[in-house]
Amino acid sequence: NAGVTQTPKFQVLKTGQSMTLQCAQDMNHNSMYWYRQDPGMGLRLIYYSASEGTTDKGEVPNGYNVSRLNKREFSLRLESAAPSQTSVYFCASTNQGNQPQHFGDGTRLSIL
Amino acid sequence: QKEVEQDPGPLSVPEGAIVSLNCTYSNSAFQYFMWYRQYSRKGPELLMYTYSSGNKEDGRFTAQVDKSSKYISLFIRDSQPSDSATYLCAASGAGSYQLTFGKGTKLSVIP
Repeated sequence: NAGVTQTPKFQVLKTGQSMTLQCAQDMNHNSMYWYRQDPGMGLRLIYYSASEGTTDKGEVPNGYNVSRLNKREFSLRLESAAPSQTSVYFCASTNQGNQPQHFGDGTRLSIL
Repeated sequence: QKEVEQDPGPLSVPEGAIVSLNCTYSNSAFQYFMWYRQYSRKGPELLMYTYSSGNKEDGRFTAQVDKSSKYISLFIRDSQPSDSATYLCAASGAGSYQLTFGKGTKLSVIP
């Protein structure tokens, strides 16, 4: 049982390049989330999808776009990467909003 | 002020000690409370999940919620080196699609 799978695990980009982070869950969960985690800042919500066909902004959405491709997959796109977007990105999913979320192991993204 | 506050530590204890990790929150609408454990270079994994006030025990771990004082605690008995990780508290309100996380407390258990 894979749970939440994120690809790639590591990536280095140059400023201005674009990139899509992929996330897939095999738990038939309705809701999916993208977070970034930075030292001293904790987990911050970028975007979430409460159900297939819907997406909403979180705490730090600027510079990102998302696509809920189907019930399993939720992607995060950086259109023009900036050094401030260097971070560890986590995808999570849950069956119901206030229930515990299940996390992937993250994508470590460096932007030079 | 962040809605969930957590002392970042670091906290260092000898093996076998009882560990107490704490969070405070400000949103009275929070009803669901969670503790996650995060090992280095891994995603957070759920440790404990509680609804409203009270205690919940699972092996060496006890989660405690006091809604009157808006205080969340996690106790680890007989701590082991394998418990060395960052511990995150989280809370959510009824009908909410979002969890509010504390910033995490880094714990080291020294053999």
